[in-house]
Amino acid sequence: LAKTTQPISMDSYEGQEVNITCSHNNIATNDYITWYQQFPSQGPRFIIQGYKTKVTNEVASLFIPADRKSSTLSLPRVSLSDTAVYYCLVVPTDSWGKLQFGAGTQVVVTP
Amino acid sequence: ETGVTQSPTHLIKTRGQQVTLRCSSQSGHNTVSWYQQALGQGPQFIFQYYREEENGRGNFPPRFSGLQFPNYSSELNVNALELDDSALYLCASSSVRENTGELFFGEGSRLTVL
Repeated sequence: LAKTTQPISMDSYEGQEVNITCSHNNIATNDYITWYQQFPSQGPRFIIQGYKTKVTNEVASLFIPADRKSSTLSLPRVSLSDTAVYYCLVVPTDSWGKLQFGAGTQVVVTP
Repeated sequence: ETGVTQSPTHLIKTRGQQVTLRCSSQSGHNTVSWYQQALGQGPQFIFQYYREEENGRGNFPPRFSGLQFPNYSSELNVNALELDDSALYLCASSSVRENTGELFFGEGSRLTVL
């Protein structure tokens, strides 16, 4: 399984855009890039998933360059409620339910 | 549509005891995965159940075992509890038919081993 590297923590102010970059140099052809969000004492929540280029939903955007060795999760105009741990995962299509979480990025949003 | 529910939410056991944790999967989901999350760390994959059979296992010893029932609900059993088993145990459900990486997690069972 491809290993991921992401910053341990990031700080932001309300209303700003937060970009979290994840590197996954050993990503394989059948791997998808998936991001989860987790609040304290809750289970992780799926945010977004992509294979290449750009994916956008109502919560975030995911940018994936052509070589797919990294990806960037973009959270537009964050609020205090976006304070959470964000996990970047590389998931093979034959292992959808067997996720390998790293330590994640702790994002703290302040007023 | 009901979400993933887990019970109990909190429990305290002593070293050497056994524990059973329960999970009801989201409606329509036929696959259940279990994860262990120690304080300050990311969740670690324990095992997955599909069609009542274990379908993949992480790096956990045999004293971690599970079951899946015909209604897709699941149990996680841990025997001979150790202090390091203290963690948040998360259950996640998904549907093979949907073929995506999206898992739906419950809020977890917080186990403390004394």
